[in-house]
Amino acid sequence: DAGITQSPRHKVTETGTPVTLRCHQTENHRYMYWYRQDPGHGLRLIHYSYGVKDTDKGEVSDGYSVSRSKTEDFLLTLESATSSQTSVYFCAISESRADSPLHFGNGTRLTVT
Amino acid sequence: GESVGLHLPTLSVQEGDNSIINCAYSNSASDYFIWYKQESGKGPQFIIDIRSNMDKRQGQRVTVLLNKTVKHLSLQIAATQPGDSAVYFCAENIKGGGADGLTFGKGTHLIIQP
Repeated sequence: DAGITQSPRHKVTETGTPVTLRCHQTENHRYMYWYRQDPGHGLRLIHYSYGVKDTDKGEVSDGYSVSRSKTEDFLLTLESATSSQTSVYFCAISESRADSPLHFGNGTRLTVT
Repeated sequence: GESVGLHLPTLSVQEGDNSIINCAYSNSASDYFIWYKQESGKGPQFIIDIRSNMDKRQGQRVTVLLNKTVKHLSLQIAATQPGDSAVYFCAENIKGGGADGLTFGKGTHLIIQP
């Protein structure tokens, strides 16, 4: 594994509650990403970061926010969780912006009831 | 583990045979391609990548072939083993798009028969 730890691995929460997922890397990579994976869809990008305090939106960013205060940590927050946000969330890292593969963590399974 | 995709295409092969997994990509401007393997309950694992200035690249027991004319990518796994059972999917990156421009396929479920 590429030195990526996601926490928690599993979480069940109620609609309307805030949730924060954490991604921690030990590779000192500049780029970090949050994806969600749902049946019938490929991985979809939520937000990504290209440096400390530098973030941008992905394809499915509505309802999510992110923060990156340190190179090694990238947080994904659901301000008010909805049932449509039930999914498996993956963090990924890469060395460069283009022409280098993403390496993924083992995911967080989030269930919103 | 969680299901990573319902109604995924499935490829069933005998242990020891070669497997070929195909991927049709969408954008003729894509210039970087990646194959991933995902086992149940785990994150996608990088297998091999290829750039558009190549048409073939080999790794350990794997070969990726790129046909830009028909926008087709394939992953060949030699002497398939039980541990190769997983979902395999390709990703493409549009030239100049950066890693945020990666588009992932839905995947193929490879099943190894004993």
